[in-house]
Amino acid sequence: DGGITQSPKYLFRKEGQNVTLSCEQNLNHDAMYWYRQDPGQGLRLIYYSQIVNDFQKGDIAEGYSVSREKKESFPLTVTSAQKNPTAFYLCASIDRSASTDTQYFGPGTRLTVL
Amino acid sequence: EDQVTQSPEALRLQEGESSSLNCSYTVSGLRGLFWYRQDPGKGPEFLFTLYSAGEEKEKERLKATLTKKESFLHITAPKPEDSATYLCAVQAWGAGSYQLTFGKGTKLSVIP
Repeated sequence: DGGITQSPKYLFRKEGQNVTLSCEQNLNHDAMYWYRQDPGQGLRLIYYSQIVNDFQKGDIAEGYSVSREKKESFPLTVTSAQKNPTAFYLCASIDRSASTDTQYFGPGTRLTVL
Repeated sequence: EDQVTQSPEALRLQEGESSSLNCSYTVSGLRGLFWYRQDPGKGPEFLFTLYSAGEEKEKERLKATLTKKESFLHITAPKPEDSATYLCAVQAWGAGSYQLTFGKGTKLSVIP
């Protein structure tokens, strides 16, 4: 089955720790995105990547880092510099060759800081 | 700056009671307007893309419409399984990054 997978589903982090969230897609999509979702707020863009080995900051990139070494993978690291990391994190991808620019989302990772 | 406002924030309907959700937007030039459904603790599920004013799309009990300033998601004779948060997002022309601007969503509850 084609789709986007995120792992883990739940993640707990202690203060001062870095953690990495996984996002993998087998849809052969070029562009991938990371969003953060907080209660009562719209999805906010953290980072995006349009091609391998290239990525750009979104609206709330501070305290986060990414890499894009493979087309299929776009991991997100939440660093200790992120002051309020507890949130629901969503990965998405888009097929740029299609006539529609629809973003498809993974199931999400819920990160909680202890 | 692109903006999306969804109303109401929450809506409770009796099963079979039709209604509409609103998505008002301001964008420099609309490339596409997207509707998603999100169940608690899950990722958004794509429903519709609308591109130009006057366009309509339907899927089961849902129909999305688009004007130059807003979009409506009409729900006809809803069932309890339609309960979810519905998200609206816009994409502007010139957004080479294919970025979307999302609204905060409307939480729909359908009571049996």
